Amino acid sequence: AQSVTQLDSQVPVFEEAPVELRCNYSSSVSVYLFWYVQYPNQGLQLLLKYLSGSTLVKGINGFEAEFNKSQTSFHLRKPSVHISDTAEYFCAVSDRGDYKLSFGAGTTVTVRA
Amino acid sequence: DAGVIQSPRHEVTEMGQEVTLRCKPISGHNSLFWYRQTMMRGLELLIYFNNNVPIDDSGMPEDRFSAKMPNASFSTLKIQPSEPRDSAVYFCASSLARGGRETQYFGPGTRLLVL
Repeated sequence: AQSVTQLDSQVPVFEEAPVELRCNYSSSVSVYLFWYVQYPNQGLQLLLKYLSGSTLVKGINGFEAEFNKSQTSFHLRKPSVHISDTAEYFCAVSDRGDYKLSFGAGTTVTVRA
Repeated sequence: DAGVIQSPRHEVTEMGQEVTLRCKPISGHNSLFWYRQTMMRGLELLIYFNNNVPIDDSGMPEDRFSAKMPNASFSTLKIQPSEPRDSAVYFCASSLARGGRETQYFGPGTRLLVL
């Protein structure tokens, strides 16, 4: 099973500033990679996923992530955040052919005016 | 589509009582997952069903926990007897399982407090 490390537990950021959330996973075997977002008192919803092909993946709400196989990383970025991006963000990984998702511990993003 | 539906949204009970959490997956999805989220342990997979059959229950903490999926549109997670350490948010998620590439769609969760 994969292990997923989200390197920052909390990221405070000012509105309209860029943000990067870092994610590393344990294995270099073929994987699927996901970022989910959890708004307060809600379930998780998918931001974006990498299955194959281009290593730069674009998702909803202006987020994008880059898959780096050699560094086993899948960092999430947004060039300009809004107050509404305040949420917890989870990186998740599954081995190809395996239904099981391994989640990171989450990164709480707090956007301030 | 209504998405994954969970009930109740909040549950407060006393230690020793039976708790039943309910989930209705998205119509047409053939995989269902129960997760538990706590501050200490994060998101943990409790059990995975495929085509209504339990495939992996290795995450179920102990015999006090049981889960059923009698048909494609309904699942329950039962805790009997409940203990304070079971307090957590329990999520149900569903997907079209194709070797892990499919998105899991999460319900809003049930926030359980055991006193």
